[in-house]
Amino acid sequence: RKEVEQDPGPFNVPEGATVAFNCTYSNSASQSFFWYRQDCRKEPKLLMSVYSSGNEDGRFTAQLNRASQYISLLIRDSKLSDSATYLCVVNSRGAQKLVFGQGTRLTINP
Amino acid sequence: GAVVSQHPSWVICKSGTSVKIECRSLDFQATTMFWYRQFPKQSLMLMATSNEGSKATYEQGVEKDKFLINHASLTLSTLTVTSAHPEDSSFYICSAREGGDYTFGSGTRLTVV
Repeated sequence: RKEVEQDPGPFNVPEGATVAFNCTYSNSASQSFFWYRQDCRKEPKLLMSVYSSGNEDGRFTAQLNRASQYISLLIRDSKLSDSATYLCVVNSRGAQKLVFGQGTRLTINP
Repeated sequence: GAVVSQHPSWVICKSGTSVKIECRSLDFQATTMFWYRQFPKQSLMLMATSNEGSKATYEQGVEKDKFLINHASLTLSTLTVTSAHPEDSSFYICSAREGGDYTFGSGTRLTVV
């Protein structure tokens, strides 16, 4: 089993739609959680960290459920510029490395 | 914010040759750097963790004699792909850690012909 698993995708949705991504992680010792965005042939860029209380940044909302080892990302009022691959990322206390999910490709259609 | 400079951004080399990729932290000291590899339509896979002044820690299945990592200073880590073959063609990305933040280089697209 992969340490971080995401929806396989791809997602193709119309502009303005709401999109939800899900992610599960297997290591219960995981302490930090993130969503990264990666555009084609580019490096990943941090979209937002994910906190237990849930957090929101504009049109983006992230949720963490430690009991279920589940992370989600919600994008509201999607824009064409949101088209990218979204990566779920975790790391464990004391472990320096980040573990990436396989990513979910999102395409927003006009 | 923190900046990590990675060079070259792309390289084409002949099979059997070696390629060196550099990763520099420009405005901070990075005691730890990470090297990832990403094949098309796949996610980033950690190859090794590089610690300044000590040997790198390689992930399972990564050949340390083929992927040589040097982290001789707090601002520079290098990855050398030795005797490259077409199957080594990939997108290589470095990342540096400062406190709890991770900053990525812009990546190197390696094509071995």
